[in-house]
Amino acid sequence: DQQVKQNSPSLSVQEGRISILNCDYTNSMFDYFLWYKKYPAEGPTFLISISSIKDKNEDGRFTVFLNKSAKHLSLHIVPSQPGDSAVYFCAASENAGNNRKLIWGLGTSLAVNP
Amino acid sequence: SAVISQKPSRDICQRGTSLTIQCQVDSQVTMMFWYRQQPGQSLTLIATANQGSEATYESGFVIDKFPISRPNLTFSTLTVSNMSPEDSSIYLCSVTSGPFGYFGPGTRLTVL
Repeated sequence: DQQVKQNSPSLSVQEGRISILNCDYTNSMFDYFLWYKKYPAEGPTFLISISSIKDKNEDGRFTVFLNKSAKHLSLHIVPSQPGDSAVYFCAASENAGNNRKLIWGLGTSLAVNP
Repeated sequence: SAVISQKPSRDICQRGTSLTIQCQVDSQVTMMFWYRQQPGQSLTLIATANQGSEATYESGFVIDKFPISRPNLTFSTLTVSNMSPEDSSIYLCSVTSGPFGYFGPGTRLTVL
């Protein structure tokens, strides 16, 4: 049972345009949502996060939007650059005392074309 | 944040052999996590390594196949035992700080 879903395995965008990566979740107890970026042969690196008490968090070209009623979040990258080409993972976290685990989506492979 | 290193970075192994992957963190952490990412797949949690107690394994993973050591608060090892080509994967060590997860660079394992 996939609690975090990224339904688009791949996305192709032109340089300079907006990239929108989507993520849906089923567990209403998740209180933190994170986006990670992964290049081939490297470990995932943290990109941006949002707490469940917010609906938007912005960091430079990256903005994450959270719609709790729809159990949906999205990552916007504007403007997209060729260096953004990577696999993007959505992850969710539930506060269970000291034992926080991250639940991962399957990832979306983003290709930004020059 | 945490800085995590893993050894080896990659290896090519023969079927039936075992490989031990080491993970070192630059700070003391209660829990360390071992993931794998098979080709074209997402990150799959193998087990949580707690210092001073047995590791907790996720469904589908067993201690005989993936024994884990956690001798102190900054170090852990994962052994992939009796390897088969299906074990070819990237193995990742991770720690959390609050809701944030930090990853090592990964170990790319190829089993022939």
